[in-house]
Amino acid sequence: NAGVTQTPKFQVLKTGQSMTLQCAQDMNHEYMSWYRQDPGMGLRLIHYSVGAGITDQGEVPNGYNVSRSTTEDFPLRLLSAAPSQTSVYFCASKLEGRMNTEAFFGQGTRLTVV
Amino acid sequence: SQELEQSPQSLIVQEGKNLTINCTSSKTLYGLYWYKQKYGEGLIFLMMLQKGGEEKSHEKITAKLDEKKQQSSLHITASQPSHAGIYLCGADRSNTGKLIFGQGTTLQVKP
Repeated sequence: NAGVTQTPKFQVLKTGQSMTLQCAQDMNHEYMSWYRQDPGMGLRLIHYSVGAGITDQGEVPNGYNVSRSTTEDFPLRLLSAAPSQTSVYFCASKLEGRMNTEAFFGQGTRLTVV
Repeated sequence: SQELEQSPQSLIVQEGKNLTINCTSSKTLYGLYWYKQKYGEGLIFLMMLQKGGEEKSHEKITAKLDEKKQQSSLHITASQPSHAGIYLCGADRSNTGKLIFGQGTTLQVKP
């Protein structure tokens, strides 16, 4: 199993550009989520999904869109990048309703918006 | 304000010393997770606690969850340089896989 795979690992964007951060998991997990990590702020939830076709907003959803057409994939879209979106992004997945299992994280995407 | 408060925010200890990191919530938690992160890398799962009063250990790291399930502590015995990194506590308050995290504790261990 590959676990949770994020691509790309690094990305530099110009202000106003759009891009999609990819996240895929091969563990058949129902729950998937996106976080951003900024210095001194831990991880903040952007969007999450409890299954294919179902998404909801987290703490900091503005400027980001998501969709969940399959169980495996949960892409994060930046429609018009802003310098405030410079951050490290993590995708995570977890089994549904299984309180005794961990959330698995990808290796992160380091995004810089100039 | 942070729903999960970690303390201290940063810590510098001499190799061989013990240390404790705390994680506090104002609400009851369904599950409390501890992760470690090396600089510039992903999150490594350490432990998960579910039951009030539960305690788990792995090598020299012990985590406890209080009886009210609102506070957890992570204790490292005889710290080593390999313990250096950022320690994050996370909690699932609603059993939706939607984890919230504390702001993290940065640990440096001086040889």
